[in-house]
Amino acid sequence: DTEVTQTPKHLVMGMTNKKSLKCEQHMGHRAMYWYKQKAKKPPELMFVYSYEKLSINESVPSRFSPECPNSSLLNLHLHALQPEDSALYLCASSLLGGAGELFFGEGSRLTVL
Amino acid sequence: SQQGEEDPQALSIQEGENATMNCSYKTSINNLQWYRQNSGRGLVHLILIRSNEREKHSGRLRVTLDTSKKSSSLLITASRAADTASYFCATPARNYGGSQGNLIFGKGTKLSVKP
Repeated sequence: DTEVTQTPKHLVMGMTNKKSLKCEQHMGHRAMYWYKQKAKKPPELMFVYSYEKLSINESVPSRFSPECPNSSLLNLHLHALQPEDSALYLCASSLLGGAGELFFGEGSRLTVL
Repeated sequence: SQQGEEDPQALSIQEGENATMNCSYKTSINNLQWYRQNSGRGLVHLILIRSNEREKHSGRLRVTLDTSKKSSSLLITASRAADTASYFCATPARNYGGSQGNLIFGKGTKLSVKP
């Protein structure tokens, strides 16, 4: 299994809603990532989990809250988002982290109304 | 904080032609990677070249790395309509203390291959 699975594929939410994005991999990778990608821009790193511990938070607003329940799962909890948070949210994993090859999911397209 | 920068930003060619994309970066690296992204989809890893390598091939892909110029190029030979996508180079960020950190993506080149 060489896949990273993200759900949902599409999400529309209001600014007062609470929702979550989910990511799963069964490749035994020990590093998992959340990236945010706006239209016509490169992916921007948000969070990195290494061995299930948050190792990097790229100054992301607290309305985004990551969680890594176990080595295969990664969640991104969303609360009180703004319309400018609308973007494609990409989950990725790598075997050991650092500058290794990343395996990406197909992304969750988020629209905040 | 952006590390790599691709050029051109957009490239349009006919099927069968070769496509060349360039990437420049700022700090010393231990590897450079190229990724492909179809419109609105996830990124797919294409190739990784280490700092002690000058050229690497994978199928129709050829990647070069010139560490003295801090630049890399991706050549796609005999392009196909299915190669239409955005292509990103990615380089490790420089952590405090000088260690190689997580990947940072360049702005990307949007390639359009016309049948």
